[in-house]
Amino acid sequence: DAKTTQPPSMDCAEGRAANLPCNHSTISGNEYVYWYRQIHSQGPQYIIHGLKNNETNEMASLIITEDRKSSTLILPHATLRDTAVYYCIVRPSTGTASKLTFGTGTRLQVTL
Amino acid sequence: NAGVTQTPKFQVLKTGQSMTLQCAQDMNHEYMSWYRQDPGMGLRLIHYSVGAGITDQGEVPNGYNVSRSTTEDFPLRLLSAAPSQTSVYFCASNRQGGNTQYFGPGTRLTVL
Repeated sequence: DAKTTQPPSMDCAEGRAANLPCNHSTISGNEYVYWYRQIHSQGPQYIIHGLKNNETNEMASLIITEDRKSSTLILPHATLRDTAVYYCIVRPSTGTASKLTFGTGTRLQVTL
Repeated sequence: NAGVTQTPKFQVLKTGQSMTLQCAQDMNHEYMSWYRQDPGMGLRLIHYSVGAGITDQGEVPNGYNVSRSTTEDFPLRLLSAAPSQTSVYFCASNRQGGNTQYFGPGTRLTVL
């Protein structure tokens, strides 16, 4: 699976958009980009995933560059409850979701 | 639905003791996985199963055994606990072909 690189930590003011970057320069054509988050040592929670098109759901938006070498997770209006570690994961479309490879993620701190 | 449940929440063992971490899911998911998370690190895959009677090794399987006799349950056994197995253990499940893995709340294990 392709390796991902994320900044270790970021801060965001409550109510502002949080933009979390991820570099996956070795991504293959059949690999998806997934985002999970882990709030205060709870089990990780799925946020969103995409292949090459931008995606949006009720939690976040995912912007993938045209060359697919990087992506950005956007939380449009961050709240204190969004304080968590965010993991960017790359997985082959033919692989199983049971075998996710987690890095160390980005610790997002949302402040008043 | 209760989702993915894990017992116990906390456990302290002495070196050499054995124990079983329990995991159950009520979503009728075919796939189940066990991960461990050491302090400040991402999750690492221990074992996974794609269905009853079928298991396979992940990234860090040594010292752990699993079996899958039913769709609902996927216990993780530590045969002879070692201090290096002090960690937080997460169980997860997903349906075959599904993109989302659902995680349990975790078991915090300390081996003295």
